[in-house]
Amino acid sequence: QKEVEQNSGPLSVPEGAIASLNCTYSDRGSQSFFWYRQYSGKSPELIMSIYSNGDKEDGRFTAQLNKASQYVSLLIRDSQPSDSATYLCAVNPDSNYQLIWGAGTKLIIKP
Amino acid sequence: EAEVAQSPRYKITEKSQAVAFWCDPISGHATLYWYRQILGQGPELLVQFQDESVVDDSQLPKDRFSAERLKGVDSTLKIQPAELGDSAMYLCASSLAPRGIRRDEQYFGPGTRLTVT
Repeated sequence: QKEVEQNSGPLSVPEGAIASLNCTYSDRGSQSFFWYRQYSGKSPELIMSIYSNGDKEDGRFTAQLNKASQYVSLLIRDSQPSDSATYLCAVNPDSNYQLIWGAGTKLIIKP
Repeated sequence: EAEVAQSPRYKITEKSQAVAFWCDPISGHATLYWYRQILGQGPELLVQFQDESVVDDSQLPKDRFSAERLKGVDSTLKIQPAELGDSAMYLCASSLAPRGIRRDEQYFGPGTRLTVT
């Protein structure tokens, strides 16, 4: 059974601090990794994709991938109250373009 | 900016009635996905189309659910008859797969919130 695991939270972070979200996956052959943001009652929005080991930065967001340890993380710098949402990790384990989804981590940014 | 369109946004129906959802993917996206999402969980894939063909419908409850993408563009998901347990968010997503750079990035529509009473 291919799995993606996330801590459900909630993760509470003060405004202006760094929020760190983690995700582990079971299929060692996975090639593509995604972070989605989902506000309450809304649909998931793609915020980062990462395909190679290391860091990928986009604005305040940094995705980190470590295939040897089978984890992917998302860092949010200078956290804002508008970052409060559930963050979903998704992994493509093979070439059929189906994503395996985590249950999400709820992030709360406290003013 | 290209978006996935879905309608209706909200649907309230009585148990045993029929309900249908419509999705128009981003232009040029070959692959279309229907998901169901229950509060507190990740999306659950119901059916995946590549162009007009079904790639995977193994998680689709075929006794009551059906999906089609006749011309390989827009798609309809139907439930007949609806049951109380079908209350959920129904999401449509599309991707460039199998062609193109970043082909496995999936983009979601706004979703349809279904309530069965």
